[in-house]
This record gives sequence, structure tokens and C-alpha cells, in this order.
Amino acid sequence: EIVLTQSPATLSLSPGERATLSCRASQSISTSLAWYQQKPGQSPRLLIYDASNRATGIPARFSGSGSGADFTLTISSLEPEDFAVFYCQHRYQWPPTFGGGTKVEIK
Amino acid sequence: EVQLLESGGGLVQPGGSLRLSCTASGFTFSSYVMAWVRQAPGKGLEWVSTLTGNSDVTFYADSVKGRFTISRDNSKSTLYVEMNSLRAEDTAIYYCTRHMYNSGSIYDSWGQGTLVTVAS
Repeated sequence: EIVLTQSPATLSLSPGERATLSCRASQSISTSLAWYQQKPGQSPRLLIYDASNRATGIPARFSGSGSGADFTLTISSLEPEDFAVFYCQHRYQWPPTFGGGTKVEIK
Repeated sequence: EVQLLESGGGLVQPGGSLRLSCTASGFTFSSYVMAWVRQAPGKGLEWVSTLTGNSDVTFYADSVKGRFTISRDNSKSTLYVEMNSLRAEDTAIYYCTRHMYNSGSIYDSWGQGTLVTVAS
């Protein structure tokens, strides 16, 4: 199975700052990558699919990039409601797997 | 508005069984592939099982294969997972999810989850 490694594990930033989250796959997965946001006590929410497509209703400050094995989720200017855990997930082959998550916390 | 509402979670002894349900609304249920994803307490997300709209194809994670059975009743817009031979490591919040239409494993809608605790 494909292993997704997210880094860093924790990112401490202030509102208004730029967040850059990384997801690396153990093999090439083309652009078959999604990003999800999970706030405490809530279900995950789809942010980005196929590496760079924003899901319905997702603000433009969220963007995804990458292909092959290296991917990035960027939040251009953090809003207070953006602090959460973010997961990447591939759909390149069975089984789909998730990364371990990056927690974006308030500095 | 898409809504997914899970039920059926609870405390069960190791080796026991449980059936989770997910009632869907706000979309044409039979047209969508559905899946279960779980999250152990304080841990990350793990895909469990997927079922196509007409129930012709199923997929299971190796960790649950042979113990869990996914099914659906399109007339009731309901997804199920029958869980047998439960282990402590099956303890998790189980989320019902919907695949994005014609997309493969992109989970565009999630339920609120139901907690399954396997303990004696």
C-alpha cells in the first residue's frame, strides 16, 4: 500500500501568516491526492481534490499543488477558523490511505 | 443539503458483533458510491470499506476483511456495515462518507460519526 508522510507534524503560526503543509507519497500517485480539514470534535471536510481543485464552498485562500510524489497545501493567510488538523489522502490505487496529519495551531 | 446520519455505535465485548447504519438524505443515494472511514481515539483516519451504488462491487481494508460486511438498501437510502469478531483495535469513530460523483475515492460528504468501543 502507498504510504503518505505529512510534515511537519505541528505547525505553530499566527493569524494572517501563510501555512505550507507537505505530503509525500511512497511512490508516484500522479495528481490523485485530496486534502481534508478536521476541527476538534468535528468530522473531516474535503478541501482539495486531485491535487489542486478546491471543493465546493472552500475559500480561495486554500490551494493545493504538486504531482507525482510531492504535494503541498497552502493557506495564504490564516483565519482564526483555519486552525485544525489537515490530512492528505490518495486515491491512486486500492487501498486509499491517509497521511498521519499536520496540526496547525495558534502560536 | 446532503446529510449522512450514522447510528448503531456503542460498547461491545471483544469477539462481539455490531451493525452500524447510515441514513442519507439530500441526494440520489443509489447514484453514489459510499464508504466507511474510521478514526481511533486521538489518531488519524483509516479507510474501512467501499460499496458501489448498485452493490455489485465491494472493497475492504485488510484489517477488516472477513470480519466486516458492507451493504446498502437504496430503497431506504441507508448504508450498513456489519462488524463481527470485533477486536480492541476496532475501537474508533466510524464515519459514513460519500464518494464525489464519478470520482473514485474522494470523500466529499461525511456524517458526524458513531463511536464503537470494543472492551470487556
